[in-house]
Amino acid sequence: RKEVEQDPGPFNVPEGATVAFNCTYSNSASQSFFWYRQDCRKEPKLLMSVYSSGNEDGRFTAQLNRASQYISLLIRDSKLSDSATYLCVVNPANNAGNMLTFGGGTRLMVKP
Amino acid sequence: NAGVTQTPKFRVLKTGQSMTLLCAQDMNHEYMYWYRQDPGMGLRLIHYSVGEGTTAKGEVPDGYNVSRLKKQNFLLGLESAAPSQTSVYFCATKGPSTDTQYFGPGTRLTVL
Repeated sequence: RKEVEQDPGPFNVPEGATVAFNCTYSNSASQSFFWYRQDCRKEPKLLMSVYSSGNEDGRFTAQLNRASQYISLLIRDSKLSDSATYLCVVNPANNAGNMLTFGGGTRLMVKP
Repeated sequence: NAGVTQTPKFRVLKTGQSMTLLCAQDMNHEYMYWYRQDPGMGLRLIHYSVGEGTTAKGEVPDGYNVSRLKKQNFLLGLESAAPSQTSVYFCATKGPSTDTQYFGPGTRLTVL
């Protein structure tokens, strides 16, 4: 079983739609969680951190469910520019090098 | 302020050749990482460094060596390239008091 699992997609949605991605992680002691965005042939960039209480940044909402060990990302009012791959990222516990574990990514395509 | 840079951007090698990838950062970060990204596999950690003069193995270290002689530079070496090392290589850095990693633009390596 992969440590961080995501549906690879692609998710094809029309502009203005709401879309949600889930991600599951296997290490119950994981400490911190993130969503990164990666555009085609570019480097990953931090989209947002995910906090236990849930957090929102404009059209993006991230939620963490520790009991079920999953993280979600909700995108409202999708824009063409949201088309990208979204990487679920976890920082496992007891990690001296502060290494991150990356999911394989979920690809989103927003169509006009 | 360039952030994280990588050289070269592209390279084609023949099996058995050697090469060194350079990662340079001007963010004064202690932690540096080398990843490879393959389709469907996500980002996998090759080696990392928690400070000048230190290195450690990640998830997939075989066939690679690294050096961190200066704080701002992290070198990744391939001693005898194999087709299985065809990939996109990303370098990343991390500063204090945060788990966020900042990525370079990547190096696309093809081994024939």
